[in-house]
Amino acid sequence: GENVEQHPSTLSVQEGDSAVIKCTYSDSASNYFPWYKQELGKRPQLIIDIRSNVGEKKDQRIAVTLNKTAKHFSLHITETQPEDSAVYFCAASIEGGGNKLTFGTGTQLKVEL
Amino acid sequence: NAGVTQTPKFRILKIGQSMTLQCTQDMNHNYMYWYRQDPGMGLKLIYYSVGAGITDKGEVPNGYNVSRSTTEDFPLRLELAAPSQTSVYFCASSAVGPNTGELFFGEGSRLTVL
Repeated sequence: GENVEQHPSTLSVQEGDSAVIKCTYSDSASNYFPWYKQELGKRPQLIIDIRSNVGEKKDQRIAVTLNKTAKHFSLHITETQPEDSAVYFCAASIEGGGNKLTFGTGTQLKVEL
Repeated sequence: NAGVTQTPKFRILKIGQSMTLQCTQDMNHNYMYWYRQDPGMGLKLIYYSVGAGITDKGEVPNGYNVSRSTTEDFPLRLELAAPSQTSVYFCASSAVGPNTGELFFGEGSRLTVL
C-alpha cells in the first residue's frame, strides 16, 4: 500500500520567515495530495490540495509544489504569522484506490515572535 | 449547519469493556470514515463507507466494527477494549471519495483504556 513520509517532525521559525514541509510518497499511481492543518485540540482542516496534472498551486501565503518524477511534494508558507502555529499533515491517495487517504506523520510548526 | 458531530468527546474504559462512538453528519455526504490519531503517528484509517449499507476495512481495523444503516450515521464499535486502543478518534465525511474532495472532520473523541 501507499506510504507517506513527512519531514521535519518539528519546525520552528521566526515570525515573517518562510516555512517548508516536505513529503514523499511511494506509489507512483497516487494522484491527489491534500494538506491539512490541525490547531491544538481542534479537528484537521483542509488548507490546500494539488492533483498530479499540475506542478504548483498557490493560495495567498501558502503554496504546494509537486514533483511526480521524484515522488515528493512540499508545502510552502511565506510571511509566517503566530496563527500559522499548528500541526500540518500531508496526504496522498490513488484515484479509484478504494478511497483510502494515507496521511503523513505530521509536522509541528511553531512560529515564534 | 452542524457538519460532523461525534459523541462522546471523552471516555475512560476499563480493559475488556465495550463501547460505541457515535458519528452523524448533516451534509448528505455519501462517504464516511473513522481515523485514529496517535502521537507522532498521523491519522490511520480504521474503517470507511461509500454509502448506506456498504463498509470496508482501512489500515487498522482489528478490534473495531462499524455499521452504516443510514447516510447520516456511522458508529464505531469497540469490543473488548485494550490499552492499545487508547487514542483520539476522528470521524470524517466527504461528498466524493477522498482522492477528489475535502474531508470534513468531527471534533474528535479522546478514549483512554485503563
